[in-house]
Amino acid sequence: EAGVVQSPRYKIIEKKQPVAFWCNPISGHNTLYWYLQNLGQGPELLIRYENEEAVDDSQLPKDRFSAERLKGVDSTLKIQPAELGDSAVYLCASSLGDRGHDTQYFGPGTRLTVL
Amino acid sequence: AQKITQTQPGMFVQEKEAVTLDCTYDTSDPSYGLFWYKQPSSGEMIFLIYQGSYDQQNATEGRYSLNFQKARKSANLVISASQLGDSAMYFCAMRELRTGANSKLTFGKGITLSVRP
Repeated sequence: EAGVVQSPRYKIIEKKQPVAFWCNPISGHNTLYWYLQNLGQGPELLIRYENEEAVDDSQLPKDRFSAERLKGVDSTLKIQPAELGDSAVYLCASSLGDRGHDTQYFGPGTRLTVL
Repeated sequence: AQKITQTQPGMFVQEKEAVTLDCTYDTSDPSYGLFWYKQPSSGEMIFLIYQGSYDQQNATEGRYSLNFQKARKSANLVISASQLGDSAMYFCAMRELRTGANSKLTFGKGITLSVRP
């Protein structure tokens, strides 16, 4: 069974440029998460989807970040415009459901460098 | 608010030895789940083991076991027979269960483990 797929793995852009990350969750997983991981820290949730509905986007900086999961499967996270402080790893995860004990499975992440 | 604390500095262990990685947590929710993840240099977070707050026995998965001490609010990961491939960052995480969909998985800052040949 394929795991969570993310692309690109690495992205280098200049500040003020837009950037987009793509995630394909494990087949059959209804819940999808986007996390931000700064160097030396644990991941922090940005947004959670139940099918195509964003059920928790309280941590998403909505002035520059946006996300979508139009058909309830794959998802895109966008930053426009990017700032120097956005340099980090962006992780996507999925789970069967959103019960507290449902294990979240992570993709390899996208390492973003903003110059 | 839920909180996870991992304060050990970088850990070193000799190959084939056992090692314990510490994790303490704080929550007011009596129902919660504890997770451990491994993150090698490749970047992917790999799920290792889960412990529910009401589970009667400590969780085990192969070489991984969880030393769960509820009264002390600790959930230490024990890796037996360390292998070179165990060298990675290890994250402890918790999610409150009572609040359900409004809760989120909260991670600690992680511990670096290096296995020496």
